[in-house]
Amino acid sequence: QVQLQESGPGLVKPSETLSLTCTVSGGSVSSGSYYWSWIRQPPGKGLEWIGYIYYSGSTNYNPSLKSRVTISVDTSKNQFSLKLSSVTAADTAVYYCARTLRFSYYYYYMDVWGKGTTVTVSS
Amino acid sequence: QSVLTQPPSVSGAPGQRVTISCTGSSSNIGAGYDVHWYQQLPGTAPKLLIYGNSNRPSGVPDRFSGSKSGTSASLAITGLQAEDEADYYCQSYDSSLRGVFGGGTKLTVL
Repeated sequence: QVQLQESGPGLVKPSETLSLTCTVSGGSVSSGSYYWSWIRQPPGKGLEWIGYIYYSGSTNYNPSLKSRVTISVDTSKNQFSLKLSSVTAADTAVYYCARTLRFSYYYYYMDVWGKGTTVTVSS
Repeated sequence: QSVLTQPPSVSGAPGQRVTISCTGSSSNIGAGYDVHWYQQLPGTAPKLLIYGNSNRPSGVPDRFSGSKSGTSASLAITGLQAEDEADYYCQSYDSSLRGVFGGGTKLTVL
């Protein structure tokens, strides 16, 4: 059974870059059947899709975050990662990684989620 | 403000039926894009509940059902149980080139 685990610093200073990694176990990021997503949830608020990546390196980002987001994949480590630059307090959130079933650019959903990791942006 | 609008809260007594609406526009649900639903139990990650408007993943009880019509979608829960108390989110695609979620609905079992 596939499991996903987020890891990274829990505290990031304003204007710096947030970096998180998602380690996949029980499955392979190189599986051509899945994409791999990042989603976040600010405290007490709803979910926001950040973007996804395919094992080939092909990505798709939320246009509202696109200028600051980079998602990458490391097939040798069975991991994928998120970098979000120039962070502010508004980027404080629980960040989730998730396995994604994508059938087209508009039809995709997340079927397995990590437990999430809290990132606070503060000096 | 979310692109997809959900009621902030709904409630029902055990055994009752409740519905949660997800209202969009002609740039998302109304454009024909499918809707998916997630359940988030307190303090946990979201869990896929319904995909493709009305399909249940393996293991999801048939008490949960989804539908879509026009610019809206609905999640129905029958035979309400205490363990159904959670936040529920709808998800679709918007013509602004992104996946979008509803603001979430908190279900309280009375």
